[in-house]
Parts: sequence; structure tokens; C-alpha cells
Amino acid sequence: QVKLVESGGGVVQAGRSLRLSCSTSGFTFSSYGMHWVRQAPGKGLEWVAVIWHDGSIKYYVDSVKGRFTISRDNSKNTLYLQMNSLRAEDTAVYYCARDARVVASPCDSWGQGTLVTVSS
Amino acid sequence: DIQMTQSPSSLSASVGDRVTITCRASQSISSYLNWYHQRPGKAPQLLIYAATSVQSGVPSRFSGSGSGTDFTLTISSLQPEDFATFYCQQTYSTPYTFGQGTKLEIK
Repeated sequence: QVKLVESGGGVVQAGRSLRLSCSTSGFTFSSYGMHWVRQAPGKGLEWVAVIWHDGSIKYYVDSVKGRFTISRDNSKNTLYLQMNSLRAEDTAVYYCARDARVVASPCDSWGQGTLVTVSS
Repeated sequence: DIQMTQSPSSLSASVGDRVTITCRASQSISSYLNWYHQRPGKAPQLLIYAATSVQSGVPSRFSGSGSGTDFTLTISSLQPEDFATFYCQQTYSTPYTFGQGTKLEIK
């Protein structure tokens, strides 16, 4: 079955960096686009970034552009989110999600999330 | 960026009720609209994609309609496991914005 497992979250000081990983199994990772979505404590969902199946195209929400980088290693079936210059407002649970490869690009499988806490 | 507005923000209903949640986009998004629900402490789950297509494994009591700027999610007969928060999301253009959520509570 499809499985996505995030790791790398934790407590970090403002201005520092953190790299999240999303290890996947149960599907052909290299054939699917992948997303990062975050959720601040007690708040709604915020889409963060997407990467095409081959890594050729990436898009970001404005609030993380220039600070976050989405990447993937198809040989390791793993998705990454490099987060630099972290701010208190980046505190959230970060989910990785698979793009379903159907019209409207929904996220059809999600990880359990990893919590990032940025202390000021 | 395209703004997504859901209504209501919260809703109380009973098991067996028919419930409708609305999502409005700030500009036309054709049918690039997805619905998710999320139980407390859990990851979101896809219910409906492309405005009207029911995700595999999702019960038939869930349905979606709309196109352009106005969309609805309907639950025909609420079940106890449906009490959660529901989100719409547009994927017409990046950033793929979500609505603010609709919290469905037991009356």
C-alpha cells in the first residue's frame, strides 16, 4: 500500500535551517508529482510547494519563496523540503502528499506529518 | 493569488442529516476544485476531485457540484465518522490555495 513518512521536524531557533524528508513506498515514486502542505497549530491547511515527477518544475507559495527548496531523489524514493531563514510563522505540522496524476491534481495520499517549531 | 472562501465556517448537525458546504473562488477556476476532510490529529483525506469526481473508497453519500466560481460539497446522510473539518482547494493556478475550513460538529 502507499505509504509516506515524514521526518526531520523539531524545535529550531528563528533564522536557522531545517531539512524535512518524506520517505515513500508502495508506488512508483518517480512517476508522481509531490506536494508539501503545512498546518499551523489550530489553523487551516496551507499549500507550500509542488515538484514535478522528474524534478523539472517547482512552485512555491510566496511566503516561502527564496527560503524553502523542494527537491527529490527518485533513486531513494524520497522527497525533501530544505527550510532556511526560518521564522516563527513557519511553525506548523508539515505534510508531504502525493499528486494523484488526475485532473485537478488532488493530493490522494498523505503522510502523518512532522511538527516544526520555530522559537524566537 | 486565488482566494477560496468556505461557508459556513462551522456547522452543527445530527446523524442522518443532509449537509451542504459551499466554497467560492475569487475568480473562475473551471473545475479545478478538490475537497478534503480532516479528523482531529490526523492527516487530511481526499473526498472529491475535479469538483464532482468521488475519490475511490469514499462513500457514495459524498457528492460535489459546481464549476467556475461556486462549488458545493453535499453529504446526503451524516454518519458519526463524518464529523470533522472540511477544506476545499483550488488547483487552477499556483499557489494552490485552500479555503479556511468548515468544522462540522455533532448537534
